[in-house]
Amino acid sequence: ELKVEQNPLFLSMQEGKNYTIYCNYSTTSDRLYWYRQDPGKSLESLFVLLSNGAVKQEGRLMASLDTKARLSTLHITAAVHDLSATYFCAVGQYTGTASKLTFGTGTRLQVTL
Amino acid sequence: DTAVSQTPKYLVTQMGNDKSIKCEQNLGHDTMYWYKQDSKKFLKIMFSYNNKELIINETVPNRFSPKSPDKAHLNLHINSLELGDSAVYFCASSQDPLAGGPKTQYFGPGTRLLVL
Repeated sequence: ELKVEQNPLFLSMQEGKNYTIYCNYSTTSDRLYWYRQDPGKSLESLFVLLSNGAVKQEGRLMASLDTKARLSTLHITAAVHDLSATYFCAVGQYTGTASKLTFGTGTRLQVTL
Repeated sequence: DTAVSQTPKYLVTQMGNDKSIKCEQNLGHDTMYWYKQDSKKFLKIMFSYNNKELIINETVPNRFSPKSPDKAHLNLHINSLELGDSAVYFCASSQDPLAGGPKTQYFGPGTRLLVL
């Protein structure tokens, strides 16, 4: 059974600092997603990583994928308060007739002034 | 235009009642999903339909029954509600996951269910 672990579970950081969220998964996959969830809101897609070595950047967020290590990272550069949210990674798996996502536990990010 | 919509947004009900949640997507996607997010924010897939056919049915009590009248709609009916059913239920949709492309899942706003 696929297990997806994120760390840290909670991250409090000051504005302007850099930090990385880690997502480890236990079985082979060719798709890794990052989502953002604001309190009481839906999930917003941030990145889709489809191959080993894939790197994507949007603003202060950069995601990367190492399929050999079964590791994805979400790097935050010069954090701002607006980035405060819960971030989820999700691993895609084919089951023969379907594809499903298994989500990580989420990382709650709090950016303080 | 809302891409994935759900109704109702909030649902407060007594134990033992039966309730339904509706979901509609206007993205032209073939596949729709139901997820449950518990109080610890953990998200787990419950069901998935592709072109009205059930393709994923995770270990979910029989009291939960999904129905897809067409590929743009996926409803969730819950019988004999229990306290442990209290959660946020998200609907999502994507392109056919067995086709090419990123197959990103787009989520609805969620239905917050509270069973008293």
